[in-house]
Amino acid sequence: KQEVTQIPAALSVPEGENLVLNCSFTDSAIYNLQWFRQDPGKGLTSLLLIQSSQREQTSGRLNASLDKSSGRSTLYIAASQPGDSATYLCAVCETSYDKVIFGPGTSLSVIP
Amino acid sequence: DVKVTQSSRYLVKRTGEKVFLECVQDMDHENMFWYRQDPGLGLRLIYFSYDVKMKEKGDIPEGYSVSREKKERFSLILESASTNQTSMYLCASMAGSYNSPLHFGNGTRLTVT
Repeated sequence: KQEVTQIPAALSVPEGENLVLNCSFTDSAIYNLQWFRQDPGKGLTSLLLIQSSQREQTSGRLNASLDKSSGRSTLYIAASQPGDSATYLCAVCETSYDKVIFGPGTSLSVIP
Repeated sequence: DVKVTQSSRYLVKRTGEKVFLECVQDMDHENMFWYRQDPGLGLRLIYFSYDVKMKEKGDIPEGYSVSREKKERFSLILESASTNQTSMYLCASMAGSYNSPLHFGNGTRLTVT
């Protein structure tokens, strides 16, 4: 059964720092991996999607990498801002059951 | 932009009531999903649908049913609400290609008393 984990569970950084969030998954049979952002009490917003054949995707200050063979992905946020404060979740779309499985999330706080 | 709309942001129901949560998407997506989100347990898949009138059980389908009579609408039904179904319910949709992103609604916070 696919399991997705995220480290750390929570992170607090001063504004301007670069930071890395980690995601691991147990079964490499995936179509893609997605990173989402969730603000308190709201739904999830898709940030980046990396197809299984790709190594990374970039959007503005965000860069996500994927190492399918080792079951790992990282989300790199450059020059963090207070507006980046949110929970970040990764999710894999698995091929075997056509489902999207989520990690527990990393709660990020960027201190002004 | 894809829009996924959930009919209620907050809902309070009594134990034993039949509850309908509605979700509508405007992008002609084939796939639709219902998740619940609870502190410490994350997002868990309840049901999903890959076509009209089609449904598949997710990881926690007990106590729930779904209906998809039209492509744009996916309803979650709590047949007899219980207090352990108090949760945030999130609907999502995705195009037919498996390399399309998931799009979420804003969620419905359901409280069962």
